[in-house]
Amino acid sequence: DAMVIQNPRYQVTQFGKPVTLSCSQTLNHNVMYWYQQKSSQAPKLLFHYYDKDFNNEADTPDNFQSRRPNTSFCFLDIRSPGLGDAAMYLCATSRDLFGSNQPQHFGDGTRLSIL
Amino acid sequence: SQQGEEDPQALSIQEGENATMNCSYKTSINNLQWYRQNSGRGLVHLILIRSNEREKHSGRLRVTLDTSKKSSSLLITASRAADTASYFCATDYSSASKIIFGSGTRLSIRP
Repeated sequence: DAMVIQNPRYQVTQFGKPVTLSCSQTLNHNVMYWYQQKSSQAPKLLFHYYDKDFNNEADTPDNFQSRRPNTSFCFLDIRSPGLGDAAMYLCATSRDLFGSNQPQHFGDGTRLSIL
Repeated sequence: SQQGEEDPQALSIQEGENATMNCSYKTSINNLQWYRQNSGRGLVHLILIRSNEREKHSGRLRVTLDTSKKSSSLLITASRAADTASYFCATDYSSASKIIFGSGTRLSIRP
């Protein structure tokens, strides 16, 4: 089945130690999104890629970066994680750029803990 | 900033009863979507309703949209234990390329 896969499901890192989360998709969708979701809150968009075009949300901290080496893979890099970055990170895809008129397909997320 | 607010924040009902969740938003929209999230999992798309539609059905789900009141409701009929989850509405904002999620309703179904 076509799907969005995130690895790992759980990640523990130390305060200030860089960490990378990965996402892959077999849907061949053009757009990939990264969301941050803290406990009992709504998912918050960090950035998205339309093909190779990167779009950063205005309030996404500089500490967060992303790479999309090809259509199938997208990575979230947190350069110096702080305690406030502990959250669930969700990857999603949509077929086209105008994502509001089509569903987004989500992976099961990576829960990041900071020691 | 948050576009959608959901009401109630939490809802607990008996299995077999109907569950109704409401979403209000601030600015005009093109589309509104509803998603479900089981604990510790990703979001699953349920229904998309366009601004020129008033009602949409999918199985036991019924979504209404009232653009004059800037509100939508999600009705789940004949609830089951498996419906226990958080439900989020999502609307577009500033441009149609992105969506923003509401605060969510946590639904618990009691056996």
